[in-house]
Order: sequence, then C-alpha cells, then structure tokens
Amino acid sequence: GQQLNQSPQSMFIQEGEDVSMNCTSSSIFNTWLWYKQEPGEGPVLLIALYKAGELTSNGRLTAQFGITRKDSFLNISASIPSDVGIYFCAGQGSNTGKLIFGQGTTLQVKP
Amino acid sequence: EAGVTQSPTHLIKTRGQQATLRCSPISGHTSVYWYQQALGLGLQFLLWYDEGEERNRGNFPPRFSGRQFPNYSSELNVNALELEDSALYLCASSLAVIAVGTDTQYFGPGTRLTVL
Repeated sequence: GQQLNQSPQSMFIQEGEDVSMNCTSSSIFNTWLWYKQEPGEGPVLLIALYKAGELTSNGRLTAQFGITRKDSFLNISASIPSDVGIYFCAGQGSNTGKLIFGQGTTLQVKP
Repeated sequence: EAGVTQSPTHLIKTRGQQATLRCSPISGHTSVYWYQQALGLGLQFLLWYDEGEERNRGNFPPRFSGRQFPNYSSELNVNALELEDSALYLCASSLAVIAVGTDTQYFGPGTRLTVL
C-alpha cells in the first residue's frame, strides 16, 4: 500500500533533549496530521495542520505543513520519559476519507 | 466525552472462518473509517462510511466488507479468514466533511484479530 516517507525510523535520546522527525510525499495533501501510538492502543491525535506553511504548537510539540504541501515535520522539545511511543505522520487528500500514513518513528527516552 | 469504542478487544479465529468487528463513533460524528495495522505493513486504509453509505474503499479484496447503521455505529466483516489477516483493526470517526478540518479522524483502541 501507499506510504509516506517518514524519518528517522527510530530515535534513542536522553531526557531533556529535543527531537525532530519529518515526512515527505510525492503527492500533495490538503491536511497533514501527527499521531502518537503506545503499545496496545490506537493512535492519538497530536497536531492537525490544514494550510500550507502553517506552524502549530501543542505544548512542547510543534509541527509545520510544508509550503509545497508535500512534507511536514514534528518537533518535540525537552523530551520526557512519557514521550516514549511511535509517532506517525498522515496525509489526507481532498474528500477521499483516506489517510496515508508514514512508517512511524519509534522514540525511546532515557531518564 | 467518550471516544471511539471498539469491540471485542481481542478476537481469535481459525482460517476460513468469518470475523465481525464493531465500532461506535464519537457522539455527533457521522463518518467511520476502518484501517488495518499489520506487522511490517503499517496502517492501511480499508473503508470509509458516511451517512450509511460506503464512500471509499482501500486496496483490499471483497472478503473485507462492512456497513454503517442508522446510529452511525459500524461493523467490519472479514470472510474466509486467511493467516495474513492477523492484525490490529482500527476504527476512526469524524464529523461530516463540510469544512476544512471537520473530517479530522480520531481513532479507537482497536481490535486485535488473530487467525490460527
């Protein structure tokens, strides 16, 4: 199936460090979304982006919708142990109902 | 406000059997989406239902089908189960697609289907 290119695949960082991950696509999207998934649970929405160039924050999380509409990044500042999980980007086209997901970035934080 | 709920949490079937998975959307949401999360394959779009109608379908065989009820809850049916159908099946819901952002999808906890 179709997937976005998400990098890095995994990160192992020290508590307090900043984290950056990104997604790229060959297709244009109208919406970019970032989700976090923990073991045994469904993805939880972190940030939604609806406009090219948009920069949105949610606490220590900041995400941007790329100007070309083909990419997005997510930054986490001052990481804490509860940030551990798998982070997914997702792009959505116009009125398809279909989210295209990245492969996920597994984040581990060392206290 | 209650989130998306799914049942059962776990389901174990044997090859060739049928599986039925259920989803209740967030109150006020009219669209329901189904995704398959299989190991190594990531999250793949299965189906989209809105106002009782199937609006879009992913690249899955006809063995995968579903429906949406008048109360907007939904069922996913998988017939003639195969070993590779073992996966976490996720349901998401959203408001109607009437403006930018109203169709943002919120996920349930999933049903873990194991086919032996």
